[in-house]
Amino acid sequence: DTEVTQTPKHLVMGMTNKKSLKCEQHMGHRAMYWYKQKAKKPPELMFVYSYEKLSINESVPSRFSPECPNSSLLNLHLHALQPEDSALYLCASSLSLAGGPVDTQYFGPGTRLTVL
Amino acid sequence: ILNVEQSPQSLHVQEGDSTNFTCSFPSSNFYALHWYRWETAKSPEALFVMTLNGDEKKKGRISATLNTKEGYSYLYIKGSQPEDSATYLCALMDTGRRALTFGSGTRLQVQP
Repeated sequence: DTEVTQTPKHLVMGMTNKKSLKCEQHMGHRAMYWYKQKAKKPPELMFVYSYEKLSINESVPSRFSPECPNSSLLNLHLHALQPEDSALYLCASSLSLAGGPVDTQYFGPGTRLTVL
Repeated sequence: ILNVEQSPQSLHVQEGDSTNFTCSFPSSNFYALHWYRWETAKSPEALFVMTLNGDEKKKGRISATLNTKEGYSYLYIKGSQPEDSATYLCALMDTGRRALTFGSGTRLQVQP
C-alpha cells in the first residue's frame, strides 16, 4: 500500500474560522511533509516532520500550525487565514530523512482550500 | 533559493509521437533529481530518482537521463498515448537543504 490519504478534498473557510487538514499514511514512513501549491506554480515546501518532530519550517506564518501526533498522522491547523492562502495543500511521506536523496516521496491528492 | 526550470511549459502532441522535455538546475550542491507525473485531480506519482552523473532510468515507454555537471535532465516518452497526458514535474534535492525544490512542470497533452 503506497497510499497517502488527505481529508477533506475541498475546504471553504472564512477568515475567522479554525479548521484542520488531515494526512495519513500506513507505509511505516517516518518523514512527513506539507507543501502548498498556488495555481500555475510549483509545490512549495512548508514543513517537514522527522520521527514526529518538526525538522524544517520554511518560515511559514503562524496562522498555519502543523502537528504530528503519531508516525502515521500529520495535521495542519488553520486559523485566521487570508484569501491569498487559498491553494492546494499537499501532504507527502518518505521512509525517513536519514535515508537520503533516493527516498521517494509519496504524495496525497491534496486538499483544495478556499479562504473567503 | 534554488532555481529549477522546466521547458517547455506545455506541449501538445499526437498519439504515437515521441517527445522529450528538459529540467535545468544549478549543478552545485546537487544531491538527487526526482521526476514526478501528475494527472489532474490525482496524487503526483513518482517516476524516477536519479543521483549519478550519466544515470539513465527507464519505466516502460518513459526514460530519463541526468547530467549533473551541466545541470540538466531529460525526460523522454516514446510513442505517446492519451493516458500519458499529465504534468511532468522535476524536483531537485540539494545537499544543504535536503528538501525538494520543484520546477513549474511541463504540461503534456496527447491527442488521439
